[in-house]
Amino acid sequence: AQKITQTQPGMFVQEKEAVTLDCTYDTSDPSYGLFWYKQPSSGEMIFLIYQGSYDQQNATEGRYSLNFQKARKSANLVISASQLGDSAMYFCAMREDNTGNQFYFGTGTSLTVIP
Amino acid sequence: NAGVTQTPKFQVLKTGQSMTLQCAQDMNHNSMYWYRQDPGMGLRLIYYSASEGTTDKGEVPNGYNVSRLNKREFSLRLESAAPSQTSVYFCASSEWGGPKETQYFGPGTRLLVL
Repeated sequence: AQKITQTQPGMFVQEKEAVTLDCTYDTSDPSYGLFWYKQPSSGEMIFLIYQGSYDQQNATEGRYSLNFQKARKSANLVISASQLGDSAMYFCAMREDNTGNQFYFGTGTSLTVIP
Repeated sequence: NAGVTQTPKFQVLKTGQSMTLQCAQDMNHNSMYWYRQDPGMGLRLIYYSASEGTTDKGEVPNGYNVSRLNKREFSLRLESAAPSQTSVYFCASSEWGGPKETQYFGPGTRLLVL
């Protein structure tokens, strides 16, 4: 079974609008971390935001927020006020406490911001 | 502070040739990782090193070997390259392997095996 599922291969959003990128995960470990990374066309992987399984509040980092719904096992990334520079691939990832050194990545969502 | 560096940036090999991908980090991290990225597949873990002196297999280790040379350096070796190993390879590091820690990635190595 896939540990991380990203069902949106491609998304479009109008500049200055908000967009939600979906991520669902599968784990039986009560302690885990969820991460989002951005990969622009230049290829580097850029860490965006982290959510811990025991965190009571949704994580936020500037224009990025994570809509964490633990019971549904979803960790959607919300980008507010989209900018042209947000056009990139976005990857959701998970790390479990009992397999702490392994990150599991989703297949990614390609986001295009339209002027 | 360069973060995670990888060499080379690009490489073309013929089937059966060998090569070593180099990775170094200057953040004093204990854990280091090698991933490959293929279109539509996300990143898949090849090998990792939880700390200096230890290495473990990840999801797709076949055809690869690794060496944790010291705390800073973690190399990936292809002994006999195959076209199926054409990919982009990323090295990453983290302070420890805890679930709260993010990984920091190098710029990647694009490998083409003919």
